[in-house]
Amino acid sequence: NAGVTQTPKFQVLKTGQSMTLQCAQDMNHEYMSWYRQDPGMGLRLIHYSVGAGITDQGEVPNGYNVSRSTTEDFPLRLLSAAPSQTSVYFCASSSGTKDGYTFGSGTRLTVV
Amino acid sequence: DAKTTQPPSMDCAEGRAANLPCNHSTISGNEYVYWYRQIHSQGPQYIIHGLKNNETNEMASLIITEDRKSSTLILPHATLRDTAVYYCIVRGLGSSNTGKLIFGQGTTLQVKP
Repeated sequence: NAGVTQTPKFQVLKTGQSMTLQCAQDMNHEYMSWYRQDPGMGLRLIHYSVGAGITDQGEVPNGYNVSRSTTEDFPLRLLSAAPSQTSVYFCASSSGTKDGYTFGSGTRLTVV
Repeated sequence: DAKTTQPPSMDCAEGRAANLPCNHSTISGNEYVYWYRQIHSQGPQYIIHGLKNNETNEMASLIITEDRKSSTLILPHATLRDTAVYYCIVRGLGSSNTGKLIFGQGTTLQVKP
């Protein structure tokens, strides 16, 4: 099993550009989440999903869209990137029971 | 979900046990206590979780007080590679918030030679 795979690992965007951060898991997990982590700070929940077709907002959803058309994939879309979205983004998945979450290795995004 | 309180930082000597405390005085009956850690720049790693009984796995032990208002994560023989930020999280299952895992500030554990 590859676990949780995030692509790309690094990205530089210009202000106003759009992009999609990809997240895929091969563990048949129902629950998936996106987090951002600013330098020296803790993780903040952006959006999460408890199954295909179901998404909900986390702590800091503004500026981000998500969809969950399949169990395996949970892409995060930035429609118009802003310098405040410079951060490390982590995707995570869980079986949906009381098991813990498995995290990806992160995408480091810089918006200039 | 209940909030947690952790000390911002702790030191531990290599080879000794590291005991990381967590207060969760507003925990409710269906909420589990989870521990994760994040080694510098990496994604967080799940360590252990429990409801009311003490739990042990290959990484650590979790001791939950009888009233469930606090818990302690024990790394029995800390190594330099255990230097990380440790997060204690209370998460309710079977509720509308089941899918949400909210991180606090955690405890930075520094293991020293």
